[in-house]
Amino acid sequence: KAGVTQTPRYLIKTRGQQVTLSCSPISGHRSVSWYQQTPGQGLQFLFEYFSETQRNKGNFPGRFSGRQFSNSRSEMNVSTLELGDSALYLCASSLESGGYEQYFGPGTRLTVT
Amino acid sequence: QQQVKQSPQSLIVQKGGISIINCAYENTAFDYFPWYQQFPGKGPALLIAIRPDVSEKKEGRFTISFNKSAKQFSLHIMDSQPGDSATYFCAATSLGNQFYFGTGTSLTVIP
Repeated sequence: KAGVTQTPRYLIKTRGQQVTLSCSPISGHRSVSWYQQTPGQGLQFLFEYFSETQRNKGNFPGRFSGRQFSNSRSEMNVSTLELGDSALYLCASSLESGGYEQYFGPGTRLTVT
Repeated sequence: QQQVKQSPQSLIVQKGGISIINCAYENTAFDYFPWYQQFPGKGPALLIAIRPDVSEKKEGRFTISFNKSAKQFSLHIMDSQPGDSATYFCAATSLGNQFYFGTGTSLTVIP
């Protein structure tokens, strides 16, 4: 089986712009979770989607949003980008909502200038 | 509040030595404690995990020790190899809920 794929792998954006990141889970996995990874902060949970519904949400501002499509693919959007949004954005898939075994993609490296 | 605290932030070990990374958690409802290994440019990969009904789990050179009363768990890497040089994250969760990750430990194994 193919692993979790994320596109694009690298992005450079300017403050104030918006960005959309994409994640395709492992075939058969219905849950997708998004994380922000920054040095010193580790992985911070953004949100989880299952069956096109947001199931869990972390403590991030409303500028961070997501959605999931009927084929389980998920997108994450960040509006009005700030310098502090520069990070590695990871998605992870699991079979069911809140499943114990999560499989991570390689991430999208976002740089905001 | 940091739900999972991880130490040390960085660790340097000689080849063949034992690497030990520690984590402490707050929420007694957590019932799954995984460790992830991340190499540069890659996403974290599940290494080994434990449930609170056992005190130790071993897979090859990797062992998790779990102390429920102290709300602590640790990863031991025996016979550490240069290929083990990576960042290690502990995490905790309960079924249906989000994962809480530690801040990571950068391990360097010197040949």
